[in-house]
Amino acid sequence: EAGVAQSPRYKIIEKRQSVAFWCNPISGHATLYWYQQILGQGPKLLIQFQNNGVVDDSQLPKDRFSAERLKGVDSTLKIQPAKLEDSAVYLCASSLVMFSSYNEQFFGPGTRLTVL
Amino acid sequence: SQQGEEDPQALSIQEGENATMNCSYKTSINNLQWYRQNSGRGLVHLILIRSNEREKHSGRLRVTLDTSKKSSSLLITASRAADTASYFCATDARDSSYKLIFGSGTRLLVRP
Repeated sequence: EAGVAQSPRYKIIEKRQSVAFWCNPISGHATLYWYQQILGQGPKLLIQFQNNGVVDDSQLPKDRFSAERLKGVDSTLKIQPAKLEDSAVYLCASSLVMFSSYNEQFFGPGTRLTVL
Repeated sequence: SQQGEEDPQALSIQEGENATMNCSYKTSINNLQWYRQNSGRGLVHLILIRSNEREKHSGRLRVTLDTSKKSSSLLITASRAADTASYFCATDARDSSYKLIFGSGTRLLVRP
């Protein structure tokens, strides 16, 4: 079974530039998550989708971050404009079960973003 | 803010020894999960323990949960160099929308 795919793996941009990350979850997984992981910290949930609907985006900085999951499959996360403090690894995860926390999340390899 | 806090932040042991790491959390939970993250890679799910369970085993892993103390421990027995990684506990808060809240992690180094 193919895992969660993410691209690009690495991205270096200057502050105030825009960047987009792509995620393709495991086939059949209804729930998709985007996390931000700052060096030395645990992942922090940015947004959670059930199919193509947003379940939780309470920690998404909506003035600069946006995410969509058209057709309920793959997803993009965008930052516009980027700030220095956005330097982090952006992880995408998916899970099979809907509306339950009793589910294992499968993570992609992440995109390491460096903002200069 | 993060709900789970792991202790210790870093642990260095010799291959073959046991490694124990702890997680404390603040609010009531439905379940607690442990994940492993190798350097430069994504997280991998290790084990899930429900709030009505006290202990669970999976291979060389043993997880305990004490809901009265709001704490959990992960024991890795007979550690191997390949166990070198960061270990995170993740909790779901009963008042959250099924999301997981990760702790800050324990960095484990197993010396050959």
